Amino acid sequence: DSGVTQTPKHLITATGQRVTLRCSPRSGDLSVYWYQQSLDQGLQFLIQYYNGEERAKGNILERFSAQQFPDLHSELNLSSLELGDSALYFCASSFRGGSDEQYFGPGTRLTVT
Amino acid sequence: GIQVEQSPPDLILQEGANSTLRCNFSDSVNNLQWFHQNPWGQLINLFYIPSGTKQNGRLSATTVATERYSLLYISSSQTTDSGVYFCAVAFPNDYKLSFGAGTTVTVRA
Repeated sequence: DSGVTQTPKHLITATGQRVTLRCSPRSGDLSVYWYQQSLDQGLQFLIQYYNGEERAKGNILERFSAQQFPDLHSELNLSSLELGDSALYFCASSFRGGSDEQYFGPGTRLTVT
Repeated sequence: GIQVEQSPPDLILQEGANSTLRCNFSDSVNNLQWFHQNPWGQLINLFYIPSGTKQNGRLSATTVATERYSLLYISSSQTTDSGVYFCAVAFPNDYKLSFGAGTTVTVRA
């Protein structure tokens, strides 16, 4: 158990819908990262937050957004869902960022039908 | 170009065999981690090893930062070692982990 929690574990929804994925970092960690794992793109970085503020952005679509709350949990919002958004979404946390070890949550498996 | 390259892409082992997985990276790194993704999809941290050598039970890893590669050794493999092994690095002034494509290991009883 990495100490990072994610909910829900599985999500099945239809095209055009909107979903919210939730992540709680390890106790004491200030940074939260979101990654997407799809069959064709592999594991890709989406976005990072540090102590409530966005720090880095990767290949995140405009239909996707995220935030980190004062209690340091984070939410990833996916809207206008398309079939291609079906993937495993991971949250990771680290104490600060960059060179710190990142710990991954169990992931949320999203299926868009 | 490819920044993190893993080899081999696939590995089939008989239980009890030893193996070596390799990760090459294109620049100096601040962070290098090895993960095991089990059949349920969970990413398990194996090593945080931007340089040097570490051992944990039957697994060990070595990173030679000056030559830009890392090796993961699996000794006396067991069926529970099956899964995908990922190498991931963070380059200087970068906050994210960049992942290799992984090595799929199948251990047969």
